[in-house]
Amino acid sequence: QQQVKQSPQSLIVQKGGISIINCAYENTAFDYFPWYQQFPGKGPALLIAIRPDVSEKKEGRFTISFNKSAKQFSLHIMDSQPGDSATYFCAASLYGGSQGNLIFGKGTKLSVKP
Amino acid sequence: EAQVTQNPRYLITVTGKKLTVTCSQNMNHEYMSWYRQDPGLGLRQIYYSMNVEVTDKGDVPEGYKVSRKEKRNFPLILESPSPNQTSLYFCASSSGWGPGQVLSYEQYFGPGTRLTVT
Repeated sequence: QQQVKQSPQSLIVQKGGISIINCAYENTAFDYFPWYQQFPGKGPALLIAIRPDVSEKKEGRFTISFNKSAKQFSLHIMDSQPGDSATYFCAASLYGGSQGNLIFGKGTKLSVKP
Repeated sequence: EAQVTQNPRYLITVTGKKLTVTCSQNMNHEYMSWYRQDPGLGLRQIYYSMNVEVTDKGDVPEGYKVSRKEKRNFPLILESPSPNQTSLYFCASSSGWGPGQVLSYEQYFGPGTRLTVT
């Protein structure tokens, strides 16, 4: 019940295309859903996050879509660029993320081809 | 500069030799965590701390110890390392408040410590 399932494991997209990464969870008590981006040799960094009271959040080219009834959320990267090539992790947390513990998905390695 | 620092960045050791990986943050954050990252398994939380002297187990605490005697430091201790603890370790810290006093629980990650146990 504590798992977050992420797919696909890897993704290759052409420059300018749309990258879509999906995550699913079981625990309906989760109430904070961030996405982290990790470049090789670096620690993960927060990209965008959503709470279940909204169905979509957009920041620049990055959008989270949230489906509470299906217990799924996804990251859409519009106009994907080679600089977006990284590993992306979805995560979920209880108590709005306030207690500092996150359950991460297994990650998606995105490669954007020029 | 606001940051989370970890030392050492790379460590090769032998089975059974006690080691400590240090973690320090200069952002006055209440929350600190340790994660390990393994290929195909993503990031798994080892321990987390909500404040000084308050720690709790994450998903994979076996074989690890932590302490939080000061707000800025959160060392990870492997008392008897084994080869299955070979991994990339990340420390992270977070606070309830982000820039502009906006409620935020962003976790700031350190650069990582690559540990090899032979």
